Formats: sequence, C-alpha cells, structure tokens
Amino acid sequence: KNEVEQSPQNLTAQEGEFITINCSYSVGISALHWLQQHPGGGIVSLFMLSSGKKKHGRLIATINIQEKHSSLHITASHPRDSAVYICAVFYGNMRFGAGTRLTVKP
Amino acid sequence: SAVISQKPSRDICQRGTSLTIQCQVDSQVTMMFWYRQQPGQSLTLIATANQGSEATYESGFVIDKFPISRPNLTFSTLTVSNMSPEDSSIYLCSVTGLSGNTIYFGEGSWLTVV
Repeated sequence: KNEVEQSPQNLTAQEGEFITINCSYSVGISALHWLQQHPGGGIVSLFMLSSGKKKHGRLIATINIQEKHSSLHITASHPRDSAVYICAVFYGNMRFGAGTRLTVKP
Repeated sequence: SAVISQKPSRDICQRGTSLTIQCQVDSQVTMMFWYRQQPGQSLTLIATANQGSEATYESGFVIDKFPISRPNLTFSTLTVSNMSPEDSSIYLCSVTGLSGNTIYFGEGSWLTVV
C-alpha cells in the first residue's frame, strides 16, 4: 500500500465547476504540501499545511491531522488550472502521491 | 525562498552513454534531493545528496548507476550512467527545509535515450 493515496487519478471538468482532490496518508507527518505540475514539467508548492485550512485565491486546502486526510478544492475552475496536482507529505523525507491529472474544458 | 537552476533542461542521449545533470541553488541548503519522474508517473526519490560525503540512495538505486556529487551547500550533480531507453525520464533536483515546511524544485531535465 502506498504511503500517500490520492484520488481521483484523472479528473475532467467544465470551466466553472467546483473541484475536489483528496489525499490520505498512513503515517504521522510534520507537513503536507499540495504541488502543481504544468505540462512543461516545473513543480511549485501551492500550499504547505500542518493543520487547519489555507486559502489562496480560488484554491482552498484543508487538512485533518487525526484522520490523516487532506483536500484541495478549486472554486470556479478555469482551463489554466489544467495541470497535475500532487500531494506530498514530509516525515524525514518527502513522500509523494501518484498525482491527479486535472483537465478543465472551456 | 530558493531558486534552483538545473541543466540541461532537455537532452537526447545515445544508449550506453552517460550524462551529468547539474543543480545550482541560489542559497545554502542542507537537504537536497534527486528525483526521477517516469512518463505519466509521480516522483520517485533516487537519493539524498549529502554535502561532503556519499549520497544516501533509496532502494532500487545504486551509486554505480547514479553517481552523485555535492561538493558544497549550493551545488550538486547527478550522473545517469550507461543509459538505456528505460532511463528516459524527467530528473528533478529539489531542496526542502529541515522540517519539510518548504520545498522547491528545479525545472527538471528531460532525458530521452535512443
């Protein structure tokens, strides 16, 4: 069993839809990141969470430490949100989920 | 924040040859890592690059195939040796804060082995 489970693997949405990507992990962690990877390959950290909830523009990330679960929400999705979203957890080393490939159609 | 410059960004390599990827960080960092991302897959840790000593390799990766150097706190190289088509991947350099609260990636090196 992978230490970091992400769902769904692939997601296609129409522009304007509300999107949720989920991440579950099996170990105690000190930090969780939501990463975004565009087709060019570059990866950036959208959020770092150790507890609670963070919001940046149309993006919202939540984490439940007790349940070992995090979600990334995108409100009013746009084609430029199309990317691979990766959940990463840190406990000594960074461990990665398999990623969610999001396609937002106009 | 940290800015990471990685090169080459892309290369096409002949089977059996070796290629060295360079990673330069604009500030001194303790934790530096090399990852491989095969087509359609997520990131797999190859090794932790340790300053002034041998890298720490993950299961399935060996020094003879992926020698790593880290002469100081801002620079590291990864060599992919005796390449085969199975080595065609994106290779990424990354740095993290000691508690994992920050993470930065290089732009990645896209290697195609023919």
